Amino acid sequence: GAGVSQSPRYKVTKRGQDVALRCDPISGHVSLYWYRQALGQGPEFLTYFNYEAQQDKSGLPNDRFSAERPEGSISTLTIQRTEQRDSAMYRCASSILLGGLNTGELFFGEGSRLTVL
Amino acid sequence: ILNVEQSPQSLHVQEGDSTNFTCSFPSSNFYALHWYRWETAKSPEALFVMTLNGDEKKKGRISATLNTKEGYSYLYIKGSQPEDSATYLCASNSNSGYALNFGKGTSLLVTP
Repeated sequence: GAGVSQSPRYKVTKRGQDVALRCDPISGHVSLYWYRQALGQGPEFLTYFNYEAQQDKSGLPNDRFSAERPEGSISTLTIQRTEQRDSAMYRCASSILLGGLNTGELFFGEGSRLTVL
Repeated sequence: ILNVEQSPQSLHVQEGDSTNFTCSFPSSNFYALHWYRWETAKSPEALFVMTLNGDEKKKGRISATLNTKEGYSYLYIKGSQPEDSATYLCASNSNSGYALNFGKGTSLLVTP
């Protein structure tokens, strides 16, 4: 696609429900990142993938959070048993493969705003 | 994950003023330093990516410098304009993992 696409743009859910957030990266971008952004704060790293392999998941806050990218393209961030503190903007970004001589700028999607009631 | 700090948290200047802000990061295993510009209701957009000690990058009235030995980068805006109002994010990664770690940003407001 022309840009990073995220869906849904807005999600309101009740505490305890599971939610799945989707990211479709720019075509050809093999690195995909998930960030969480609280109001007035910079993006907080959650996890990232090169192709289908999850390279680093150290930013996932607890085991209710998981992410997958089974075919190396679209990624899904899943939050199980949501809590109010999970409310935030979840941003996806993609880039060319980072590493070696490639420092790769990130291209961000518009984000998914999650509100847990 | 590296700890990236930015200062000041916010800045208010008059049109025409020049300004600068700071990003500091741990210098061990440094790989790259990124600056992003983030306007309200939009997504962050890349300004610069720098890797070498002493790097200087420039885009119009905005420029950035990098000191990897002491772990800081400066972003300069010459002759600020109201359209420069945005949050400026700094991000760094190490060669042990590559994941970009962002600072909390400097929020700039330029008034006519």
